[in-house]
Amino acid sequence: GAGVSQSPRYKVAKRGQDVALRCDPISGHVSLFWYQQALGQGPEFLTYFQNEAQLDKSGLPSDRFFAERPEGSVSTLKIQRTQQEDSAVYLCASSSGGGAGEQFFGPGTRLTVL
Amino acid sequence: DAKTTQPTSMDCAEGRAANLPCNHSTISGNEYVYWYRQIHSQGPQYIIHGLKNNETNEMASLIITEDRKSSTLILPHATLRDTAVYYCIVRVPGSNDYKLSFGAGTTVTVRA
Repeated sequence: GAGVSQSPRYKVAKRGQDVALRCDPISGHVSLFWYQQALGQGPEFLTYFQNEAQLDKSGLPSDRFFAERPEGSVSTLKIQRTQQEDSAVYLCASSSGGGAGEQFFGPGTRLTVL
Repeated sequence: DAKTTQPTSMDCAEGRAANLPCNHSTISGNEYVYWYRQIHSQGPQYIIHGLKNNETNEMASLIITEDRKSSTLILPHATLRDTAVYYCIVRVPGSNDYKLSFGAGTTVTVRA
């Protein structure tokens, strides 16, 4: 079956531009997560949704980062006024049931801010 | 989460067993040991998890010491496609412990 998909796979932005990254979770998965992975490091948690409710956004690094999942399926991570330190791979994961279930990851979006 | 310590990197020969160590000396009684791997340009992939008994599945075996302070992931016959970063994580399943704390992991290179 289809796994988690993310688009675009690669995004280049000029500093100060806004970007939107899309995640399509596995159909029927109620939980959705976003992680940020800097070069050479492990992924770090950003935010967690259960259906359309954003239950945890403690990992978002600044108020320039915003995530939504309005219909409890597709999610969008938006970064406003991008900075060079935002350059990273942004990973989306989904799981069935509650948040403690096995997380299935997408391939990620590599964001490069010039 | 309890912290884990893994070697930064290791090499292994194709066709041989790869033994990946992980130290988790502060693990609590209800925390499980999970292993994930991340192949280049892909998202992390779940491999296996266990509490205290040894576990085996189609991908790997997990050996946990009796005091649970360390564990070893075994890839029985490493192939070139097993080249990846391997992450050892401790967490409590079925709880609100949903944030996976990956750390830096072990970069495993399988050589022909």
